[in-house]
Amino acid sequence: QKEVEQDPGPLSVPEGAIVSLNCTYSNSAFQYFMWYRQYSRKGPELLMYTYSSGNKEDGRFTAQVDKSSKYISLFIRDSQPSDSATYLCAMTGSTSGTYKYIFGTGTRLKVLA
Amino acid sequence: DTGVSQDPRHKITKRGQNVTFRCDPISEHNRLYWYRQTLGQGPEFLTYFQNEAQLEKSRLLSDRFSAERPKGSFSTLEIQRTEQGDSAMYLCASSSTSGGIEQYFGPGTRLTVT
Repeated sequence: QKEVEQDPGPLSVPEGAIVSLNCTYSNSAFQYFMWYRQYSRKGPELLMYTYSSGNKEDGRFTAQVDKSSKYISLFIRDSQPSDSATYLCAMTGSTSGTYKYIFGTGTRLKVLA
Repeated sequence: DTGVSQDPRHKITKRGQNVTFRCDPISEHNRLYWYRQTLGQGPEFLTYFQNEAQLEKSRLLSDRFSAERPKGSFSTLEIQRTEQGDSAMYLCASSSTSGGIEQYFGPGTRLTVT
């Protein structure tokens, strides 16, 4: 079993829809949770970063972490065609010492105009 | 601050050749990471530098791979005797011990081994 599981999609939604992207994980030592957006053949771009449990909002994006369930989510409101990309979750914890990230496989999202 | 840069962006090489990639992190970022990403997968950790010291290497990093960060600034990743299985995107990321743990990624070097 992988440490981080993420549904690869693809996920197709109409413009303006609310998108929900999710990851589950097995390592209870993870404390920091990140979401990256990656366009085709580009490097990942950091969207959101959350420490421990709770919610964080930034514009149209909301990140949620539920450490008791080992489940994290990213919500995108009023989705736009420009949001079409692969969304990667990543996690790390201080026990790794190096804070290396463990990534999910990524979910491909397509927002249809 | 121009972000993390990587060179070259694309490399096509024949099996058995050696290749070297360069990463220039965000200035004053003392942590530098290399990851490898294959099609349809998330990035996988390869190695980590804090300043010039290489503090962790993944089991993915076989003895054909070597990485350096000689003056604690830019880093190089060399692959010797390339194999077709080495074809992937090689990503570099940097972060700062004085800031948060957020890692900022470069555009990657796409390696194709024929």
